[in-house]
Amino acid sequence: DTEVTQTPKHLVMGMTNKKSLKCEQHMGHRAMYWYKQKAKKPPELMFVYSYEKLSINESVPSRFSPECPNSSLLNLHLHALQPEDSALYLCASSQRGLREGENEQFFGPGTRLTVL
Amino acid sequence: QKEVEQDPGPLSVPEGAIVSLNCTYSNSAFQYFMWYRQYSRKGPELLMYTYSSGNKEDGRFTAQVDKSSKYISLFIRDSQPSDSATYLCAMSAVASGGSYIPTFGRGTSLIVHP
Repeated sequence: DTEVTQTPKHLVMGMTNKKSLKCEQHMGHRAMYWYKQKAKKPPELMFVYSYEKLSINESVPSRFSPECPNSSLLNLHLHALQPEDSALYLCASSQRGLREGENEQFFGPGTRLTVL
Repeated sequence: QKEVEQDPGPLSVPEGAIVSLNCTYSNSAFQYFMWYRQYSRKGPELLMYTYSSGNKEDGRFTAQVDKSSKYISLFIRDSQPSDSATYLCAMSAVASGGSYIPTFGRGTSLIVHP
């Protein structure tokens, strides 16, 4: 298995809803990432887990809550989002841990989130 | 000045043309250079990954890094309509705390018309 999978592909939620995005990889990668991407913009880093520990949190609002249950799974819990949070949410993984050397990232297909 | 500059385009070329996509950067510490292809509403796909200066070829794609000029390029030979996508450059160095988080360019939209 050489890919990163994400579910759901699309998600529409109201501002009072609670939902979760899921990401999975079975390549034995040690670092996993959440990015947010708006149309015609580059991906913006949100969180990084390295060896299942949260290593980087790019000052993301608390309405986004990441979780890494094990080395293959990454979740992003969403609560009380705003319409401006509508975007493509991308998960990525890389072979080495965050501080172990060069680290090309492999991206999943993304979850298209719309907040009404 | 942004750390990584990339012309958003769109760049429109006829099928079969040689395409040149470029990024410039300001951080001389960047050592690792990547090119991603992103189709509309999909995740980025890693195309090329290079370390330091020089050329790397993979099929119709050639990545070129000139660290002295802080300039990287991606060449696509015999371009096809299926190459129509946004191409993102990314580069990384050892940041504070020893992490290798890439910095992305804003992407260039490429359109290859039949």
